[in-house]
Amino acid sequence: GDSVTQMEGPVTLSEEAFLTINCTYTATGYPSLFWYVQYPGEGLQLLLKATKADDKGSNKGFEATYRKETTSFHLEKGSVQVSDSAVYFCALSDWTNAGKSTFGDGTTLTVKP
Amino acid sequence: DVKVTQSSRYLVKRTGEKVFLECVQDMDHENMFWYRQDPGLGLRLIYFSYDVKMKEKGDIPEGYSVSREKKERFSLILESASTNQTSMYLCASSPPGDLGKHEQYFGPGTRLTVT
Repeated sequence: GDSVTQMEGPVTLSEEAFLTINCTYTATGYPSLFWYVQYPGEGLQLLLKATKADDKGSNKGFEATYRKETTSFHLEKGSVQVSDSAVYFCALSDWTNAGKSTFGDGTTLTVKP
Repeated sequence: DVKVTQSSRYLVKRTGEKVFLECVQDMDHENMFWYRQDPGLGLRLIYFSYDVKMKEKGDIPEGYSVSREKKERFSLILESASTNQTSMYLCASSPPGDLGKHEQYFGPGTRLTVT
């Protein structure tokens, strides 16, 4: 079945540091890939997505590129802020699996001033 | 903006009680989902629904049931709550078509404690 493996956390960075959160996946079909963010006390919200190979999703300074050859979708940001502290989830959605989403376990990011 | 609301943010119930968690979305989405979120386990799909009166089991349906009588509302039912159902419950919806290409829109979650 489908699966998503995320870099284990927690991750602690200083403000303005570079962020990478690794995400790799296995899927039987040709999935769409997503990054969601969950701020404390809230539900998940979409951060960015990519629906085909080599697509780059971007939002709020975050980027991720759909790499089919390495089955990866790593999240990056060049300069993190304290307000980026949250839990980040990598996910895939596969039409061969009736469009259901599979989520990684989440990575907690804490940014210190 | 899509809005997904859940009936309670925090809920405390006793073992053996019947518990109803309600979810309403206002964007006419056909697809709705219930997940539970536990530390170290990520999100696990309990049930989902592609249309009114339709339901499909997810990965962990045991101990739960669902009801979808209206398109905008998807209810999760714990028939007899147990302590191992203490968790954060998240509802989500997504638009129809192009299965797999659309993101899901989440509610704020209900933190359920069963004592």
